Amino acid sequence: EIVMTQSPATLSVSPGERATLSCRASQSVSSNLAWYQQKPGQAPRLLIYGASTRATGIPARFSGSGSGTEFTLTISSLQSEDFAVYYCQQYNNWPPAFGPGTKVDIK
Amino acid sequence: EVQLVESGGGLVQPGGSLRLSCAASGFTFSSYWMSWVRQAPGKGLEWVANIKQDGSEKYYVDSVKGRFTISRDNAKNSLYLQMNSLRAEDTAVYYCARDMSWFQHWGQGTLVTVSS
Repeated sequence: EIVMTQSPATLSVSPGERATLSCRASQSVSSNLAWYQQKPGQAPRLLIYGASTRATGIPARFSGSGSGTEFTLTISSLQSEDFAVYYCQQYNNWPPAFGPGTKVDIK
Repeated sequence: EVQLVESGGGLVQPGGSLRLSCAASGFTFSSYWMSWVRQAPGKGLEWVANIKQDGSEKYYVDSVKGRFTISRDNAKNSLYLQMNSLRAEDTAVYYCARDMSWFQHWGQGTLVTVSS
């Protein structure tokens, strides 16, 4: 089974700043990686699939990159509504697996 | 608009059973794989099971194999999760999700608490 790791566990950022979140897979997942945002008390929301394709309605300030085992989610200029937990998920191998999450909080 | 609405959660004793339901609307339910994903309190996300469009293929995470059964009724646009022999570690919010390999749409979740 593929194990996903994310770093850092918590990222403290000021509004308007850039945030860079990392996700690593224990073996190659090609570009079969998705990113989700989850706010307290809410369901996860799909942001990115195929490592870099934004889901419908996702603002352009969210971008994904990477392939193989190393991936990055970048939020170019953090807005107040972006403070949340972010999860990556691989779907290259069964079973689908999520990373432990990165919490983005206000600095 | 795609909507997924889960129901059926609650408090159950260890060893007990519960059946979750997910009512789908706003899309052609019978055209999509569907999944259940759970989240223990304060923890991350864990995929639990999924089912093919016609119900002919079903897959489960190892920890629930033999205890949980996923099913669907395309005539009723509904997804189900029958959970038997429940354990404390099954305590979680259970989400149904439209499965594109990634999880494109999610319900609001239903809380299952396994405790005596």
